[in-house]
Amino acid sequence: DAGVIQSPRHEVTEMGQEVTLRCKPISGHDYLFWYRQTMMRGLELLIYFNNNVPIDDSGMPEDRFSAKMPNASFSTLKIQPSEPRDSAVYFCASSSLAVNTEAFFGQGTRLTVV
Amino acid sequence: AQSVSQHNHHVILSEAASLELGCNYSYGGTVNLFWYVQYPGQHLQLLLKYFSGDPLVKGIKGFEAEFIKSKFSFNLRKPSVQWSDTAEYFCAVTPNYGQNFVFGPGTRLSVLP
Repeated sequence: DAGVIQSPRHEVTEMGQEVTLRCKPISGHDYLFWYRQTMMRGLELLIYFNNNVPIDDSGMPEDRFSAKMPNASFSTLKIQPSEPRDSAVYFCASSSLAVNTEAFFGQGTRLTVV
Repeated sequence: AQSVSQHNHHVILSEAASLELGCNYSYGGTVNLFWYVQYPGQHLQLLLKYFSGDPLVKGIKGFEAEFIKSKFSFNLRKPSVQWSDTAEYFCAVTPNYGQNFVFGPGTRLSVLP
């Protein structure tokens, strides 16, 4: 397996624009996590899914953020409209409860909102 | 709710010094414990994990951690650090009935050559 795949790796956008981040988890994993990492706030859990269903979205900062998982192999994190304070590295991770694994992280998307 | 604390925000050591990074968690049930490392500009990678059995866990690159249930601790150790160990280290916990990983705030390790 190629691991958790995120796209794009880098995104630069203007304030007010819509941004969509994508994630393909490891095949067979039933948990998917979205994290945001900044210097100021460290690593924050935004939302996680189990079997494509959102379980806990309490970390989503505000209504401008939304996440979907339409199937077991794809998830998106959308920010609309984007603001400069959303600039961060966004990581996607997946894991499997059935085989009791750790969380495997993708390479991350570095988002810059100007 | 679960939480994870890490004792040090930034640790600076010289090469060959011994390392111990503290990690404590708050959760009353059975947990799985992890240490991750993040090298500059990279993603988080697993160093070691504890699910059950021997509380002394050995991981990659000479790292080990000891689970002390009575202290709710899972401290990371390495007898002799190298410059290449410069990175940020994260402790994480998840209850063994679920997978809501909770990460600590991280400890930045700087190893001076």
